[in-house]
Amino acid sequence: GENVEQHPSTLSVQEGDSAVIKCTYSDSASNYFPWYKQELGKGPQLIIDIRSNVGEKKDQRIAVTLNKTAKHFSLHITETQPEDSAVYFCAARIGSGGSYIPTFGRGTSLIVHP
Amino acid sequence: DSGVTQTPKHLITATGQRVTLRCSPRSGDLSVYWYQQSLDQGLQFLIQYYNGEERAKGNILERFSAQQFPDLHSELNLSSLELGDSALYFCASSPPGGSTDTQYFGPGTRLTVL
Repeated sequence: GENVEQHPSTLSVQEGDSAVIKCTYSDSASNYFPWYKQELGKGPQLIIDIRSNVGEKKDQRIAVTLNKTAKHFSLHITETQPEDSAVYFCAARIGSGGSYIPTFGRGTSLIVHP
Repeated sequence: DSGVTQTPKHLITATGQRVTLRCSPRSGDLSVYWYQQSLDQGLQFLIQYYNGEERAKGNILERFSAQQFPDLHSELNLSSLELGDSALYFCASSPPGGSTDTQYFGPGTRLTVL
């Protein structure tokens, strides 16, 4: 089955700095890579996603890059703000028989210091 | 607010007991996914239902079962509870049609087994 490794487990930055979280996946058939943000006491919320036919996607201060050859993808947050502090999860998904079950990374706790 | 609702928010029970967690998907979504989130295992997929039928199974124990009703709400039943079942349980829903990638998570139910 799919295996997703996520690094780092904790990331501490100063407000205004950039933050980068990296994930690698094992199954080359994976074709969809979402990123979720989970704030304390809440469920994961999709913040950006990328499909395997695209190398990069950007949405304001958030961007995701995908390297299919190396089987890794990254989340980039620029101009970080204290409200960006949360746990971020990457996931990789293989579509199979109408099911689209993602495998999640273990999460990165991002702390943005004002 | 994702539009997915879960009840109850918190549940405290004893070992050996049985509980039922409830999830209502977003309006129009046909798929419901159940996940378990614990500190040591991360976010683990349990089971998926699509329009009332089981579609995929993940790491769901035999003591756990789920169903999706005609009105599309879903229930996760956990029986013979053990201390290790203490965790956050999330459900997520996704829209019908070709793009069933995006999953919208509910706020979760925190289960504590004493």
